[in-house]
Amino acid sequence: KNEVEQSPQNLTAQEGEFITINCSYSVGISALHWLQQHPGGGIVSLFMLSSGKKKHGRLIATINIQEKHSSLHITASHPRDSAVYICAVTGNQFYFGTGTSLTVIP
Amino acid sequence: ETGVTQTPRHLVMGMTNKKSLKCEQHLGHNAMYWYKQSAKKPLELMFVYNFKEQTENNSVPSRFSPECPNSSHLFLHLHTLQPEDSALYLCASSQDRGVSPLHFGNGTRLTVT
Repeated sequence: KNEVEQSPQNLTAQEGEFITINCSYSVGISALHWLQQHPGGGIVSLFMLSSGKKKHGRLIATINIQEKHSSLHITASHPRDSAVYICAVTGNQFYFGTGTSLTVIP
Repeated sequence: ETGVTQTPRHLVMGMTNKKSLKCEQHLGHNAMYWYKQSAKKPLELMFVYNFKEQTENNSVPSRFSPECPNSSHLFLHLHTLQPEDSALYLCASSQDRGVSPLHFGNGTRLTVT
């Protein structure tokens, strides 16, 4: 069993929809990261958080340390948001989820 | 532009070839990493360098050989690879080995024939 589990694995949404991607982890962590990977392969760090909530544009990330759970929300989704979203946690090392593949249809 | 540059972007090699992947960062980071990404699997950490010293080797076969000549450059030397080594190889850097965010390159798509 992977230390980091994401759901759903695949997600298709209509443009404008509100999107939620979930991440649960089973190890002690010092921080949680949300990453975005576009089809070209490069990965971009969206958020690093250890408590509460962070917002950047249409993206919002929350974390509940007690429940070992984080969510990534995308408001007013757009086709350019189509990518793989990866949850990663930092404990004594980095642990990665397998990613959620998001497709936003115009 | 992520600040981490990887070359080449694509590489096709036979099982008897020797090739090298290159990674370069000018972000002033002290830690550099090689990751392997295979389809439907989490990112797998291969090697970590911190201040040019290798601090982790995650049970990687000896046909993969890393080199870190300075804190800005990282190489992955490949020889006698197997078809199952075909994957996306990602380089990353971070300010230090702790909880700093990772900055990734665009990866090298490797195909072993």
